Amino acid sequence: DQQVKQNSPSLSVQEGRISILNCDYTNSMFDYFLWYKKYPAEGPTFLISISSIKDKNEDGRFTVFLNKSAKHLSLHIVPSQPGDSAVYFCAASAYSGAGSYQLTFGKGTKLSVIP
Amino acid sequence: GAGVSQSPSNKVTEKGKDVELRCDPISGHTALYWYRQSLGQGLEFLIYFQGNSAPDKSGLPSDRFSAERTGGSVSTLTIQRTQQEDSAVYLCASSRTSPGTSSNLAKNIQYFGAGTRLSVL
Repeated sequence: DQQVKQNSPSLSVQEGRISILNCDYTNSMFDYFLWYKKYPAEGPTFLISISSIKDKNEDGRFTVFLNKSAKHLSLHIVPSQPGDSAVYFCAASAYSGAGSYQLTFGKGTKLSVIP
Repeated sequence: GAGVSQSPSNKVTEKGKDVELRCDPISGHTALYWYRQSLGQGLEFLIYFQGNSAPDKSGLPSDRFSAERTGGSVSTLTIQRTQQEDSAVYLCASSRTSPGTSSNLAKNIQYFGAGTRLSVL
């Protein structure tokens, strides 16, 4: 069963508009959430994160919102730029009990920003 | 190097052969993770190293998969008797530390290599 779900495999947005990428999770033990961006033939690149004790974190054009009661987070990109076109992965971490904070990833959403 | 380095970038092998995938983490990062991404799937955790020990091997799919880390740095993931279902992109990530409390979680940001694309024919 998928513990982290990104239900939209793709999203197209006009340049300059807002991009909203969504992510849902089921494991209430997750305490840290991250967004990674991935270009073809490259590894995922860390973008922004949020602790479960917060509901919003902002970094430049990127803002992540966390709704713990709904087990939902979203990434907002404003304004969207063509260079933002990539696959975005939502990830969540929880202590595994075996010493690691392994990340559990969603399947990704491919964002296309149209000039 | 400045980032996580993985080699080879691509590997094509025949079913039944053994393969070794290498990961060189960011200098000074004590935690190292292996993940794999099969076609159309998210990244799947395989194994975690803290220093040279692997306290969490829970993601290894079978006993054909093993990994080691030496000198607290380079790690090798070995797949024996490869099968077609092993075809995937294998990603390595490192982070500065193994967090013990939630206040350290920011230090657990994992930085990824470009991956090794393994194709088993």
